[in-house]
Amino acid sequence: SYELTQPPSVSVSPGQTARITCSGDALPKKYAYWYQQKSGQAPVLVIYEDSKRPSGIPERFSGSSSGTMATLTISGAQVEDEADYYCYSTDSSGNHRGVFGTGTKVTVL
Amino acid sequence: QVQLVQSGAEVKKPGASVKVSCKASGYTFTSYAMHWVRQAPGQRLEWMGWINAGNGNTKYSQKFQGRVTITRDTSASTAYMELSSLRSEDTAVYYCARELVAIVVVPAAMDYWGQGTLVTVSS
Repeated sequence: SYELTQPPSVSVSPGQTARITCSGDALPKKYAYWYQQKSGQAPVLVIYEDSKRPSGIPERFSGSSSGTMATLTISGAQVEDEADYYCYSTDSSGNHRGVFGTGTKVTVL
Repeated sequence: QVQLVQSGAEVKKPGASVKVSCKASGYTFTSYAMHWVRQAPGQRLEWMGWINAGNGNTKYSQKFQGRVTITRDTSASTAYMELSSLRSEDTAVYYCARELVAIVVVPAAMDYWGQGTLVTVSS
C-alpha cells in the first residue's frame, strides 16, 4: 500500500525555521496537504495543494513540493506551533484513496 | 459557519459493530463529500473512507474494505460511519471531515473537522 514518510521529530528554538519533509512516490503527480494537530484536538489544515495557505493560517507557514518530496516550512517558529504535523495525499493507482504521512512531532523550545 | 457535530463516545465488545454520526450545518450538505479518519491512542491519523454526499458514491481504504460502511442521509444533513467486527485495535477517536473542494468526484482532502468520537472496544 502507498506510504508517505516523515521524520519522527523536529526540534527548533523560538524564531528559528523548522522544515518537515514528506516523501512519497506519487507526489510528483498528486498534491500534498499539511495538517497541524495539537494535543487532544482535531487536526487543522495549514497548507493545501502543495503551497496554498488557508485563510487564518499565519504567513510563517509555507509549503513546497519537488519530485517525490513535499516540505512544510515554519519560518520563525513560535511556541504555539508545537504540535504534530501530518502530510496527506492520495495514491496514484486510480483508486484515489487517501493516505496520511507517518507524522512529525515539532518541538519549539 | 461550517459545523460538524459527531455523536457521543461508545463502548463496544469485540465482534460488535459501531455506527458514528456526523451532523453538518452551515453549508449545502450535498455539495461537499465527507471523509472519515481515525486515530488510535498515540498513533497517526488513518484515512478510512469517503462519501460523495450528492450521489452517495463511496471509496474505502483497503485496510477497512469489507468492515466499514459510510452512508449519508441528505434530509438530515448527516453522514454515518459503521465499522463492524470490532477488535481491540479499533479503539480510537473517529473523525468526520468535510471535503476541501465542492462537487468533486474523487477524494481530495479535508478542511473542516468534527470534534471526534471515542470508540472503545473492550470485553
